[in-house]
Amino acid sequence: DVKVTQSSRYLVKRTGEKVFLECVQDMDHENMFWYRQDPGLGLRLIYFSYDVKMKEKGDIPEGYSVSREKKERFSLILESASTNQTSMYLCASRAGTGNQPQHFGDGTRLSIL
Amino acid sequence: RKEVEQDPGPFNVPEGATVAFNCTYSNSASQSFFWYRQDCRKEPKLLMSVYSSGNEDGRFTAQLNRASQYISLLIRDSKLSDSATYLCVVNGLADTGRRALTFGSGTRLQVQP
Repeated sequence: DVKVTQSSRYLVKRTGEKVFLECVQDMDHENMFWYRQDPGLGLRLIYFSYDVKMKEKGDIPEGYSVSREKKERFSLILESASTNQTSMYLCASRAGTGNQPQHFGDGTRLSIL
Repeated sequence: RKEVEQDPGPFNVPEGATVAFNCTYSNSASQSFFWYRQDCRKEPKLLMSVYSSGNEDGRFTAQLNRASQYISLLIRDSKLSDSATYLCVVNGLADTGRRALTFGSGTRLQVQP
């Protein structure tokens, strides 16, 4: 079974803080993704990575950056947290081709005060 | 127009009922299709892939209509445990392995005793 692990289940931070969300997968997947999910808006793609040190912007990258230094780890960074970044953040990974499904971590519920 | 559209519901059905959800997608080049299930405050989990010829997994049947650009999910003999949000998922580009899947906002199902 694919295991995608997110470092925190719940996180509370203050406006202006730099926030790191970590995600690790154990299946040697090439592709990793960060989404946020908000009521009524569904899942929205922030960034994804198809290889180490490679990244591409998703649909809503503003205010975020990512890091993929090792294949198994994909980090999402909120450069200066704002209250509108309060959300559920979901990491996913997928094997090489687009025909494969994504596997999600448990999610991090982030609150910015 | 959204890339993937679903009726948000909720669909309230009695136990034992048959219920069907449809989902339409806008990109005719889409290559792969999935149904995910998401329980409240949990991560999405793969329910089943959708194949061109249609496929069945126990009480669940998925079908794809490329001409009309929709996929469907049929649940027979509904159980209380089927209560969840069902996400329609589409790979919008040709299979490059470099694109994330596009998620619908989900259809909520509530099975009642």
